Amino acid sequence: DAGITQSPRYKITETGRQVTLMCHQTWSHSYMFWYRQDLGHGLRLIYYSAAADITDKGEVPDGYVVSRSKTENFPLTLESATRSQTSVYFCAGRRGDAGNEQFFGPGTRLTVL
Amino acid sequence: AQSVTQPDIHITVSEGASLELRCNYSYGATPYLFWYVQSPGQGLQLLLKYFSGDTLVQGIKGFEAEFKRSQSSFNLRKPSVHWSDAAEYFCAVGPSNDYKLSFGAGTTVTVRA
Repeated sequence: DAGITQSPRYKITETGRQVTLMCHQTWSHSYMFWYRQDLGHGLRLIYYSAAADITDKGEVPDGYVVSRSKTENFPLTLESATRSQTSVYFCAGRRGDAGNEQFFGPGTRLTVL
Repeated sequence: AQSVTQPDIHITVSEGASLELRCNYSYGATPYLFWYVQSPGQGLQLLLKYFSGDTLVQGIKGFEAEFKRSQSSFNLRKPSVHWSDAAEYFCAVGPSNDYKLSFGAGTTVTVRA
C-alpha cells in the first residue's frame, strides 16, 4: 500500500468534454506527480507539485490542468479531452525522507472517444 | 538532461531460468537509479534502488541489480524466474538533487511453463 488512491479507475468520455481524475494520498507525501503511460513511451511526467499551492509543468503538460489546494489531494483536469489523451494515468507521491523514491497509485484508464 | 534506455521491448523466459533486463542511462553525475515492476492492471511497485555505496543492490522478490558506472548501466537480474514474475519492468533515473524521475519505455517479461 503506497498510501495513494485514484478515482475513477476507469473512465470513458467524449472529445471536447472536461474530465477530472482524482488523486488522494494518506502518507504525507510532500511531492506529488501525474504521469501518463503510453505504449512505447514508458511513463511521462505531466505535472508535479512540491507542496500545497505549488505546481509546475513536466514533460507533457499541454491540455492538462492541476491544482493542489490541500496537501492530500492532487486532481488532474483535462479541460477539453482529445483522443490523443487516451492513456493510463498514474499519480505518484514522494516522501521527503525517502531519497527520490516515488510511490504509485493504481492508475486510471481513460478512453476518449 | 537525463534519459533512460531499455533496449529490450519484450523478453520471453522459461520458468526456472535466469533473467537479465538491461538498462542504460545518460546523466552527467551519479544518479539515483530505480527498478519498478508493473503487474497487469496494477500500479508500479519499487523493486530496488541505488543511491550510493555497494554497486550490487538487492531488492524484493529475489531481484538484484548492478550499477556499472563505466558502462552507464543498471541491469536487473533474477537467478530463477517464477511464473508470477511475468510483468512489465521499468528502469528510472533521477538526479540526487531533484525530485523528477525519467523512465525507460519498459520491458515486458513473459514466462513460459
